[in-house]
Order: sequence, then C-alpha cells, then structure tokens
Amino acid sequence: DQQVKQNSPSLSVQEGRISILNCDYTNSMFDYFLWYKKYPAEGPTFLISISSIKDKNEDGRFTVFLNKSAKHLSLHIVPSQPGDSAVYFCAASVNFGNEKLTFGTGTRLTIIP
Amino acid sequence: EAQVTQNPRYLITVTGKKLTVTCSQNMNHEYMSWYRQDPGLGLRQIYYSMNVEVTDKGDVPEGYKVSRKEKRNFPLILESPSPNQTSLYFCASRRIPGNTEAFFGQGTRLTVV
Repeated sequence: DQQVKQNSPSLSVQEGRISILNCDYTNSMFDYFLWYKKYPAEGPTFLISISSIKDKNEDGRFTVFLNKSAKHLSLHIVPSQPGDSAVYFCAASVNFGNEKLTFGTGTRLTIIP
Repeated sequence: EAQVTQNPRYLITVTGKKLTVTCSQNMNHEYMSWYRQDPGLGLRQIYYSMNVEVTDKGDVPEGYKVSRKEKRNFPLILESPSPNQTSLYFCASRRIPGNTEAFFGQGTRLTVV
C-alpha cells in the first residue's frame, strides 16, 4: 500500500525552464510534507517542506504547493539548472509522536543544457 | 559540522555471517531511524528510536535488529543476512518528529551473496 506516490519515474527539462515534480498521497493524517534531493552515492538532502496549514512555501528557486483537498503536492524549480539533475523524493509525516517519514518512489530529474 | 556518519560505505558479505552497520550523529537528536532503498520502492523505514533504550519497528523490520544505548549511536544489526537484504541503507536523525527535517547519512551499500 503506497501511501505516497510519485507517478513519474523520470522527467527531462531544458535548462532555464520550469521543472514540476508531482506527488500524491492517500493518508489524510499526513500533515507535514518534505522534498529531498538525492545525488548518486550520497544520502538524501533536505530541500524544502510545507505544513498542512499552508498551501505554498517558497525558498529561492524552489516552491512547494500543497492541495489538501486533492491530496497532491508539487515542487516547482525555476529556473532549472544542470546541478538540479538528481532524484527527488517527496515524503510525508504525521505530527506529534510518530517518528516516521513515508517516502515516495522518487522522480529522476534530468536538466538538459 | 552537523552530520550523520555511517560505516562502512560498502560491504559485501556471505549469507548467514552476522554484521553490524554503525550510525552516529553529532546533533544531539532524539530521534533516529534506519531506511533501506530499493529500486522502484523508494525508502522504507526499518526501525526507529525515539530515545536511548526506546526503539520500535518500522515497515520492514524482519531480519534486522537495532540498539540505542547512547543517544548519538544507532547501529543496525543483521544477525543472519540473506540475499534479499542486499540494498542501500540509510541512517537518519531528527531533532523532534513531525515538523522538522531528517538528516541522512551517506548510505551503506550492502551486498549479500
């Protein structure tokens, strides 16, 4: 039972354009969402997060949007740069007392120079 | 520098030979977890710990043991490794569960032959 789904295994985007990575979830108890970026041979690194009380969070070139009614979140990267090529995981957790991050299966983003 | 350190980075072993993967964090975090990453499955939680001597099972605990005798260390023990435990393992720590990001180690690639 995949509670967090990333339906696009891969995505290619031209340098300078917008990259949009999508994530869907099924568990309505999730109230905190995170995006991680992973390069080969390295651990995931935290990118950006959003609480369920918000619908948008922005940090530089990265913006995460949350649509609670649709149980959908997306990560926008603009403008996309070659260094953004990596695997992106979305993750979700339940606030208070639950030490668990539930991850999606990841989307491999390739930025084409 | 805040970090999570795993050792070894790479390990090839034979079926049934006990092994331990170490994990240490220097951020005084209460919460630590072990994840495994497999193609098409994302990261799945194996075990987690909410404090010294407090551990609990994640989604895929079979064949693994953990201990938390000190706050900074959270070793993963495979008493009798099998080929289906061939995977990429990550240790992570979080200050508190819920609305904080997890910090990950660089990963341990384990091959069981």
